[in-house]
Order: sequence, then C-alpha cells, then structure tokens
Amino acid sequence: GNSVTQMEGPVTLSEEAFLTINCTYTATGYPSLFWYVQYPGEGLQLLLKATKADDKGSNKGFEATYRKETTSFHLEKGSVQVSDSAVYFCALEGGSYIPTFGRGTSLIVHP
Amino acid sequence: NAGVTQTPKFRVLKTGQSMTLLCAQDMNHEYMYWYRQDPGMGLRLIHYSVGEGTTAKGEVPDGYNVSRLKKQNFLLGLESAAPSQTSVYFCASSHRHPDRGDTQYFGPGTRLTVL
Repeated sequence: GNSVTQMEGPVTLSEEAFLTINCTYTATGYPSLFWYVQYPGEGLQLLLKATKADDKGSNKGFEATYRKETTSFHLEKGSVQVSDSAVYFCALEGGSYIPTFGRGTSLIVHP
Repeated sequence: NAGVTQTPKFRVLKTGQSMTLLCAQDMNHEYMYWYRQDPGMGLRLIHYSVGEGTTAKGEVPDGYNVSRLKKQNFLLGLESAAPSQTSVYFCASSHRHPDRGDTQYFGPGTRLTVL
C-alpha cells in the first residue's frame, strides 16, 4: 500500500534560517504529492502540490520538487518567519480517492 | 463561499452518550471525508464518501457511523461515546481532477472530549 514518511519534529529554528523538512513516499504508479500546513487551532490547508515527476510546487516562499528517482518531496524555504510556525503534513494521492498523510512535522520559529 | 464548515466546534460528552457531528461544504465536491487527529498519530481516516448516498470505511471506523443523504452534507455519528474517542475531528472534501491532483479542503475541526 501507499505510505508517507516525514521527519519527526519538532524542528526549531531562528527567524531567517533555512528550512528543510524531509518527506519520502512509497506508492505504485504516479501519485500526486502535497504539502499541507496546519496553524494552531485550525484545519489543514494546502500549501503546495506537484502532480508529476520533476514538477516543482511553490507558494509563500516554500518549494518542493517531485523526485521520482528518490521518491521524495522535501519542503524547503530560504528564510523562515515566526509566522511560519505550524505543523506541516506531506501527503500523496494515488488515484484511489483516499489520500495518504504523513504524521506531521511541527516547526517552531523563534524571533 | 464558506468552504467546509463543521458543527459544533467543541463538545463534552459523558461515556455512553450519543452525538452527531455535521459537516457541510458549498463547493459542490463529490468526495467527503472524516478524520480524527490525535497527538503523535497524525490524521486517521474514519469514513469517507465518493458521492451522495454512498459511504465507505476508512482506517478506524469502529464506533462511528456516517450518512451522506445530501451531496453537501456528511454526518458523523457516535452512538455510544467512549473516552478513546476523545479527539479532534476534521471533515474534508475534494473534487476529482484526474490530471491535477485532488486537493483536500478541510473544515476548522470539532474538539470532542468524552469523560
């Protein structure tokens, strides 16, 4: 079956630091890949997505590239802000109506 | 558009009581889902629906029932609540895009405590 593995948190950074959150997946075929973000007290919302190999998703300064050869979709941001503090979920959708989510990585950014 | 809304936002139940959580979406989405989120467990799928009048079991369906009588609404019922059902419940909906990936749209959540 499908699975998503993402690095455990919390990830603690100072403002303006570089962020990487690793995500690898196992799936048959060619899934679509997603990053969702959950701010405190809220539901998840889409941050970015990529639907085929070598696609790069980007939004709000965050980027992730769909790497089929390494089955990865790592999330990066060049300079984090305190407002980026949230939980980040990597997910895939392989055409079965049911997405598969990672367990989430908490990001804490200090001023 | 309100997107996905959930009612209620908070609820405290005693063991054995029943309740229904309501999810509504105004995006005309075919698919709807109920998840629970617990510390360290991520999101776990309870039940889902691929269209009006259809429902299916997810990863953790025991103790829950669902109904989708109208396309815009998806109800989650707890017939006899147990402390193990203390959790935050999220509803989500999505529209089928065969080539564009199916983004999930989430509601704000219902925080349920069972004493």
